[in-house]
Amino acid sequence: EDQVTQSPEALRLQEGESSSLNCSYTVSGLRGLFWYRQDPGKGPEFLFTLYSAGEEKEKERLKATLTKKESFLHITAPKPEDSATYLCAVQGATNAGKSTFGDGTTLTVKP
Amino acid sequence: NAGVTQTPKFQVLKTGQSMTLQCAQDMNHEYMSWYRQDPGMGLRLIHYSVGAGITDQGEVPNGYNVSRSTTEDFPLRLLSAAPSQTSVYFCASGKQGSGQPQHFGDGTRLSIL
Repeated sequence: EDQVTQSPEALRLQEGESSSLNCSYTVSGLRGLFWYRQDPGKGPEFLFTLYSAGEEKEKERLKATLTKKESFLHITAPKPEDSATYLCAVQGATNAGKSTFGDGTTLTVKP
Repeated sequence: NAGVTQTPKFQVLKTGQSMTLQCAQDMNHEYMSWYRQDPGMGLRLIHYSVGAGITDQGEVPNGYNVSRSTTEDFPLRLLSAAPSQTSVYFCASGKQGSGQPQHFGDGTRLSIL
């Protein structure tokens, strides 16, 4: 059974203070690891897909990296508008395209 | 291009009532799914569909039914509402095949009294 564990549950940063969010996973035959951003009262918004260990993707202040056991979402010089819950999900080879989600990390960036 | 549209946005039901949550997408995606999200928790899969006429159960299917008569629509039916079904429900769609991300609606907030 696929499993995803995200840490920390909550992270409070000062504006400009860089940090990382962790996503540890177990999956049979990784087909994709996804990062989503979720704002209060909204549905998750797709950010990145990573397919294989060593892959990196970047978008503005966010960079996602992938190893065989975990993924990191690095946030460089965050701004208050980066405050949101970040969700990680995996798809494995045996689950017909279904995604398994972690519980998320709620990021708060103070000005 | 509206993406994934869910209606209603809010609903209050009494225990034992039935209702249908609507979901429509205009991206011609084969894959559609329903999740529930409870406070402090991630998304749990209720039912999913890989195309019109094809549906299957997810992690928490009890008390819910789905059907997929068209590519665009994927309604979720609560048969006899229970307080444990109070949650936020999200519909999502995506291209068929492994490694494809999903696109989510903004959810239906459902309270069962």
